[in-house]
Amino acid sequence: DAKTTQPTSMDCAEGRAANLPCNHSTISGNEYVYWYRQIHSQGPQYIIHGLKNNETNEMASLIITEDRKSSTLILPHATLRDTAVYYCIVSSTSGTYKYIFGTGTRLKVLA
Amino acid sequence: NAGVTQTPKFRVLKTGQSMTLLCAQDMNHEYMYWYRQDPGMGLRLIHYSVGEGTTAKGEVPDGYNVSRLKKQNFLLGLESAAPSQTSVYFCASKRTGSQETQYFGPGTRLLVL
Repeated sequence: DAKTTQPTSMDCAEGRAANLPCNHSTISGNEYVYWYRQIHSQGPQYIIHGLKNNETNEMASLIITEDRKSSTLILPHATLRDTAVYYCIVSSTSGTYKYIFGTGTRLKVLA
Repeated sequence: NAGVTQTPKFRVLKTGQSMTLLCAQDMNHEYMYWYRQDPGMGLRLIHYSVGEGTTAKGEVPDGYNVSRLKKQNFLLGLESAAPSQTSVYFCASKRTGSQETQYFGPGTRLLVL
């Protein structure tokens, strides 16, 4: 399973877009990119995932580079409730679907 | 539909004691996973199951055993607890299919003295 690298922490002003980068240079062709977040010590919450095309849902957008070696999670209008640790995970599309978590990015949204 | 539930929410053990953590899901998911999370760290996979009656080791399986006798339940056992097993334990489940995602439970906090 491919590993991911994320910045340790980021700040974002409330109402502004939060752009969280992730490097996954060893990703293979059958691996998806998933984003989860963990608020306080709750269970991780799914945000979005993609294979190679950009994706958007009601929570966020996911931009994956053409070579698939990196991606960016975009929270379009960050609120204080978006303060959390964000995890970028790469996981196979078949087999055991195991997730390998890194240490994530701690996003702090500032009022 | 309760999703993924974990029992207990919090437990204190003495070194050498045993206990079982229960994970239950009501979504008819095939796959189930046990993770642990230490302070300031991401989650690490302990054991997982791809179906009823099957289990396999993850990244950090030592000191733990698991069983999946029923599809909806995944049990994590500590036979002889050690202080190094103080952690927050999360369970997750997933439906079969490449587009499906893992659903996580609320966690169990375990303190081993």
